Amino acid sequence: EIVLTQSPEFQSVTPKEKVTITCRASQSIGSSLHWYQQRPDQSPKLLIKYASQSFSGVPSRFSGSGSGTHFTLTINGLEPEDAATYYCHQSYTYPLTFGGGTKVEIK
Amino acid sequence: EVHLVESGGGLIQPGGSLRLSCAASGLSVSSQYMSWVRQAPGKGLEWVSVISSGGDRYYAASVKGRFAISRDNSKNTVDLQMNSLRGEDTAIYYCAASTVGPSGDYWGQGTLVTVSS
Repeated sequence: EIVLTQSPEFQSVTPKEKVTITCRASQSIGSSLHWYQQRPDQSPKLLIKYASQSFSGVPSRFSGSGSGTHFTLTINGLEPEDAATYYCHQSYTYPLTFGGGTKVEIK
Repeated sequence: EVHLVESGGGLIQPGGSLRLSCAASGLSVSSQYMSWVRQAPGKGLEWVSVISSGGDRYYAASVKGRFAISRDNSKNTVDLQMNSLRGEDTAIYYCAASTVGPSGDYWGQGTLVTVSS
């Protein structure tokens, strides 16, 4: 099973700041890595698919990069509505797995 | 516009069975990867099962042999039959759909399953 390790687990950030979340895979997964945002009491929403492809309707401040075992989600200019937990997810091989999540709080 | 609506959750005793359903609109389940993902109270996301557009089925080790995924193309629905339920199966169960691989492009609002005596 591929283990995804996210860091940090928690981040408190001032609006307009840049946020960087990393996801490391226990083995190479190519570009089969996706990022989701889950606001409190809501279902997850896809932000980035296949490491760097922005999903339709997602604000341009969200971007993804990486390949192999090291991936990054960047939020350029945090907005108050970005307070949420962010998850990475690999679809390279079964069983599919998720990272443990990164909670982003607005200061 | 894509909509996924889950139903069938509820309170069930350990050892019991429950059948969840995901009704889709705005897409055809027969041409999608349809997944079930769950989230225990206060915990992270856990992948449960997927059925590919070609009909291949895959399961997490924790549910293999107890859960079964299926789809009804005529009703445009995907079901999750859950047997021999345990306390650790208590979670919100989400249905997700995607076209190119199980990337979870669209998600439903979830249905809560509580396994307790």
